[in-house]
Amino acid sequence: DARVTQTPRHKVTEMGQEVTMRCQPILGHNTVFWYRQTMMQGLELLAYFRNRAPLDDSGMPKDRFSAEMPDATLATLKIQPSEPRDSAVYFCASGLVLGFGEQFFGPGTRLTVL
Amino acid sequence: KNQVEQSPQSLIILEGKNCTLQCNYTVSPFSNLRWYKQDTGRGPVSLTIMTFSENTKSNGRYTATLDADTKQSSLHITASQLSDSASYICVVSSNDYKLSFGAGTTVTVRA
Repeated sequence: DARVTQTPRHKVTEMGQEVTMRCQPILGHNTVFWYRQTMMQGLELLAYFRNRAPLDDSGMPKDRFSAEMPDATLATLKIQPSEPRDSAVYFCASGLVLGFGEQFFGPGTRLTVL
Repeated sequence: KNQVEQSPQSLIILEGKNCTLQCNYTVSPFSNLRWYKQDTGRGPVSLTIMTFSENTKSNGRYTATLDADTKQSSLHITASQLSDSASYICVVSSNDYKLSFGAGTTVTVRA
């Protein structure tokens, strides 16, 4: 059945290292979102794409985070260099309708930066 | 500042009982309000999405209400089951497509 997939599911790294998280949206969905979830802040929208073009990444720290969609089946979120405060669960979600119609979330990548 | 506040922060109920979760928001302009269910270790799953003109929407044993005048929403769970144990998140979208998230209510259903 169609679902959003994310890799890796867990990542432990040391401060200063580069981290790349990948997301495969549901086939045919034209909108992709990246979220971060922590106990302290809850869910935060980092960026979203429509038809592979970034529409809004104002929720993302620009100096170290970057998000791209090399093709319609792959979205990436990169952190370079990583810091302990980046430790969180990162979710990717995809949908069909801009304006935030129903979104389907992936299982998340749990990132721990030591 | 757009805010979404949920209450209670957590609650414990016995299996088979009903419960109601609250969501108050100050988001303006308003586009839609959603309720998500998030099981531990999983991504959120959409339960309901309501626009300005909708007062109530159901999804099985989940019923959401919306009062756009008072900027309040509730999620009612009927005849709770153990599988309802989860975090429930209220999310409000404004017309410029910005999302405001509540902190969530953690529901624990006990046998």
